[in-house]
Amino acid sequence: AQTVTQSQPEMSVQEAETVTLSCTYDTSESDYYLFWYKQPPSRQMILVIRQEAYKQQNATENRFSVNFQKAAKSFSLKISDSQLGDAAMYFCAYRSGLESGSRLTFGEGTQLTVNP
Amino acid sequence: EAGVAQSPRYKIIEKRQSVAFWCNPISGHATLYWYQQILGQGPKLLIQFQNNGVVDDSQLPKDRFSAERLKGVDSTLKIQPAKLEDSAVYLCASSLRMANNYGYTFGSGTRLTVV
Repeated sequence: AQTVTQSQPEMSVQEAETVTLSCTYDTSESDYYLFWYKQPPSRQMILVIRQEAYKQQNATENRFSVNFQKAAKSFSLKISDSQLGDAAMYFCAYRSGLESGSRLTFGEGTQLTVNP
Repeated sequence: EAGVAQSPRYKIIEKRQSVAFWCNPISGHATLYWYQQILGQGPKLLIQFQNNGVVDDSQLPKDRFSAERLKGVDSTLKIQPAKLEDSAVYLCASSLRMANNYGYTFGSGTRLTVV
């Protein structure tokens, strides 16, 4: 079974600074997808960024980028120019590349605080 | 497009009572998921539907939890009888198809408190 581990329960960053959230995962599959979700107090999970395992290039979405290290099974999220609205719980998630494997396996989450 | 709708937003019940949650996915989304998120943890899949058929319910406590998706659209998740450990946020999500590489769209969830 796949597992996802987020070792940082809490992180804080100053507004306009850069912060990196860590995620490691364990799988025996070669084809899979990785995601970062943001969960504000409204509870709705919002997709931040996704990465296909077969792509070597790290995904980027505006101020959000990932460092995907497939051999190390590491998938960290970098938030540049942090804004107050970035404050939320962040979850790393894994999905199998199999047609039938569409369940998401989530980590425990990292609570990000942005200080003004 | 309208998002995934869930109701109620909050529910407080006593242990051993029953409760039901409702989810209306995005129109046209064939796949629907129910996740349980206990405080301080990541969401865990309870059940997955493809249209009105169950694809994965391996982590659903079937002695007390049940779910249905009539006509392949709305879905209802029921707990009967509830236990204290069922206190959690219940998230519904939908995707256009099962092997969707773009993640899902989640609703805002129902926060259940069992006292």
